[in-house]
Amino acid sequence: EVQLEESGGGLVQPGGSLRLSCAASGFTFSSYAMSWVRQAPGKGLEWVSAMSASGDNTYHADSVKGRFTISRDNSKNTLYLQMNRLRAEDTAVYYCAKTISPAAKLPFDYWGQGTLVTVSS
Amino acid sequence: QSVLTQPPSASGTPGQRVTISCSGSSSNIGSNYVYWYQQLPGTAPKLLIYRNNQRPSGVPDRFSGSKSGTSASLAISGLRSEDEADYYCAAWDDRLSGLFGGGTKLTVL
Repeated sequence: EVQLEESGGGLVQPGGSLRLSCAASGFTFSSYAMSWVRQAPGKGLEWVSAMSASGDNTYHADSVKGRFTISRDNSKNTLYLQMNRLRAEDTAVYYCAKTISPAAKLPFDYWGQGTLVTVSS
Repeated sequence: QSVLTQPPSASGTPGQRVTISCSGSSSNIGSNYVYWYQQLPGTAPKLLIYRNNQRPSGVPDRFSGSKSGTSASLAISGLRSEDEADYYCAAWDDRLSGLFGGGTKLTVL
């Protein structure tokens, strides 16, 4: 059974940093591209970042470019999102999502349950 | 404001057929596949339609997708109370970013 478990969320002050982790199991993690998607409270879905299976290719939304960095450790079956210079508008539930192939940026066939990041003073 | 435009709400009575539209541009829907997700309250999204009109295993054939030019649609026939949820379209943009529509809240009256 595919499982994705996010962790690392919490309350952080504006300008601060957080690192999210996503522990994957139930599939060959190194064979699939992975992404982060967020959802602000009461709002819609927003694609954040994507990384190919090998880690050679990364993509970030303009809203986070230069502040967030996606990475992965295939030996640990774990996806990361390093978030720096956080802003109030980054407050959201952050989902880890698995794609259907090594290079695909979409679609996501499995999602984690999400971790809440709150940016507030 | 989302680059992919969806109506904020839709509604229907049990048994009816409803459609939800998704409008984009030549750099996203016009040149890439469209995907549809269903999000029930308090849960993670679920993939409903991939590659414009394909259903993953387990998705009822009451759900169907179509695409024409820079627009796409999700149709739900034989509407049921359990279909009440938020629905999102998604597509990759050639400017190297993923896109979601703003979401459509479907109410079953």
